[in-house]
Amino acid sequence: EAGVAQSPRYKIIEKRQSVAFWCNPISGHATLYWYQQILGQGPKLLIQFQNNGVVDDSQLPKDRFSAERLKGVDSTLKIQPAKLEDSAVYLCASSGDRDEQYFGPGTRLTVT
Amino acid sequence: DAKTTQPNSMESNEEEPVHLPCNHSTISGTDYIHWYRQLPSQGPEYVIHGLTSNVNNRMASLAIAEDRKSSTLILHRATLRDAAVYYCILRFSGFGNEKLTFGTGTRLTIIP
Repeated sequence: EAGVAQSPRYKIIEKRQSVAFWCNPISGHATLYWYQQILGQGPKLLIQFQNNGVVDDSQLPKDRFSAERLKGVDSTLKIQPAKLEDSAVYLCASSGDRDEQYFGPGTRLTVT
Repeated sequence: DAKTTQPNSMESNEEEPVHLPCNHSTISGTDYIHWYRQLPSQGPEYVIHGLTSNVNNRMASLAIAEDRKSSTLILHRATLRDAAVYYCILRFSGFGNEKLTFGTGTRLTIIP
């Protein structure tokens, strides 16, 4: 079974630029999550999708972050414009009927 | 969200058992106890979860106190590959609320 795929793995941008991350969840998984992990901290949930609907986006900074999950499969997370404090690893996870979440390798974003 | 308390770091010798403690004194009756681990430069990985009874799987065992205010993750025979940050997380069992709230976890070092 293929795992959660994310791209790119690394990205370096200057502040005020925009960036997008892509996630392909495990086939058949209805629930998809985006987490932000700042160095030295645990992951923090940004947004949760159930199929293509948003279940929880309470911690998503909506003035600069947006996410979509068209057709209930792939998802993209966008930051526009980026700030220095957005430097982090962005993790995508998916889950099916079972309790566990499966995480991708993450995208490491550096904002200079 | 109910919170958990874990030691910041622990060390263990290779091929010996490891007991990772977690305190969760404000746990509610509907909270499951989940454990994830994060190896260096990877996304978190599900380890085990339980509600009231002790649980075993191929990776580890979970011992839950009778009053559910604490739990212990047991790695029966640590290997170098078990060096990771281990997160103890309380997750509400209701539908649509499957998010994981990560703390800072316990960094486990395995000594060869």
